Amino acid sequence: SAVISQKPSRDICQRGTSLTIQCQVDSQVTMMFWYRQQPGQSLTLIATANQGSEATYESGFVIDKFPISRPNLTFSTLTVSNMSPEDSSIYLCSVGSVAELFFGEGSRLTVL
Amino acid sequence: AQSVTQLDSHVSVSEGTPVLLRCNYSSSYSPSLFWYVQHPNKGLQLLLKYTSAATLVKGINGFEAEFKKSETSFHLTKPSAHMSDAAEYFCVVSDLVGGYNKLIFGAGTRLAVHP
Repeated sequence: SAVISQKPSRDICQRGTSLTIQCQVDSQVTMMFWYRQQPGQSLTLIATANQGSEATYESGFVIDKFPISRPNLTFSTLTVSNMSPEDSSIYLCSVGSVAELFFGEGSRLTVL
Repeated sequence: AQSVTQLDSHVSVSEGTPVLLRCNYSSSYSPSLFWYVQHPNKGLQLLLKYTSAATLVKGINGFEAEFKKSETSFHLTKPSAHMSDAAEYFCVVSDLVGGYNKLIFGAGTRLAVHP
């Protein structure tokens, strides 16, 4: 198993600003995943972050809007850039494999 | 591409009564299927998974699910609901995309348990 800590747990942001979410894992992992959960909806994969390489983004998500860093095997950040109210969501960090994923508690962002 | 459909967005049961959360999948091959649970303000947790072994899968907290290929279903059940079971439940299928596996989440079913 893995213990995942995310910061911030929640935030209220102004339109047009950017916010960086941090994800810390208690063990070294190769792949980290970032998901978005919009209000009342399911989880959608934003990107996969491998240490030492560029993140791989899913269809509909771009690096300019959601830049990701992966400086080492236990840490990653996701930035939500130039936010709009449509970005109000829970953002979840995840590690593991297709056999089992472990999730952080999420970062709940509200954009006004 | 694989997909999952959770047939009920909300299910409400009384404590001590059975729970049934329905999930249908579409697949061009034998899939891996999962149920995850998300308690309020908590991260998701794996309840159980099916990976082509026994069709009846037992998970944590008394939950189980049966893989029925003829019905393309993977319904989640529990004989007796507990108040602590109130949460959001996601049916998930593994899909092979671009040469690697990724998880496709259903829309979720919110389970309410009443005294």
